[in-house]
Amino acid sequence: KQEVTQIPAALSVPEGENLVLNCSFTDSAIYNLQWFRQDPGKGLTSLLLIQSSQREQTSGRLNASLDKSSGRSTLYIAASQPGDSATYLCAVEGSTLGRLYFGRGTQLTVWP
Amino acid sequence: ETGVTQSPTHLIKTRGQQVTLRCSSQSGHNTVSWYQQALGQGPQFIFQYYREEENGRGNFPPRFSGLQFPNYSSELNVNALELDDSALYLCASSLSGGKDEQYFGPGTRLTVT
Repeated sequence: KQEVTQIPAALSVPEGENLVLNCSFTDSAIYNLQWFRQDPGKGLTSLLLIQSSQREQTSGRLNASLDKSSGRSTLYIAASQPGDSATYLCAVEGSTLGRLYFGRGTQLTVWP
Repeated sequence: ETGVTQSPTHLIKTRGQQVTLRCSSQSGHNTVSWYQQALGQGPQFIFQYYREEENGRGNFPPRFSGLQFPNYSSELNVNALELDDSALYLCASSLSGGKDEQYFGPGTRLTVT
């Protein structure tokens, strides 16, 4: 069974810092990996999707990498801002098409 | 382009009652997945519907059931509600049943008392 772990569980940083969120998964047979942002009590906003054949994806200040063989992904956030404060979730789509397996998330707080 | 919408936003039910949650998929998407997110946890897959057929199910009992309509909107029905069913229920739509980016709605917060 696919298990997804995210480290750290919580992170508090001052504005302007560059930071890295980590995600690991136990079964490397995945189709893709997706990073989401979730604001308190709200739905999920898709940030980046990396197909299994790709190594990284970039969108603005966000860069996500994927090492499928080692079962790891990182989300890099450059020049963090207070508006980045949210919970960040990673999810993998494995051998069961369409089913996403989620980690518990990293709760990020960026203070001014 | 209209995003994924869900109704209602919040719902309070009593243990033993039944509830129906609704989801409208993003325009052009024929696949809807439902997830349950308990407080402090990641979302858990309930099931997926692809072109009106159930296309995979997670580890949820049969009292969780669903439907998908010809316009690809979907319903999640939960019978005999239990206190542990209190959660945020999320619906996601995608293009073709798998391997595509999934777009989530704002969720329905269900409280069972």
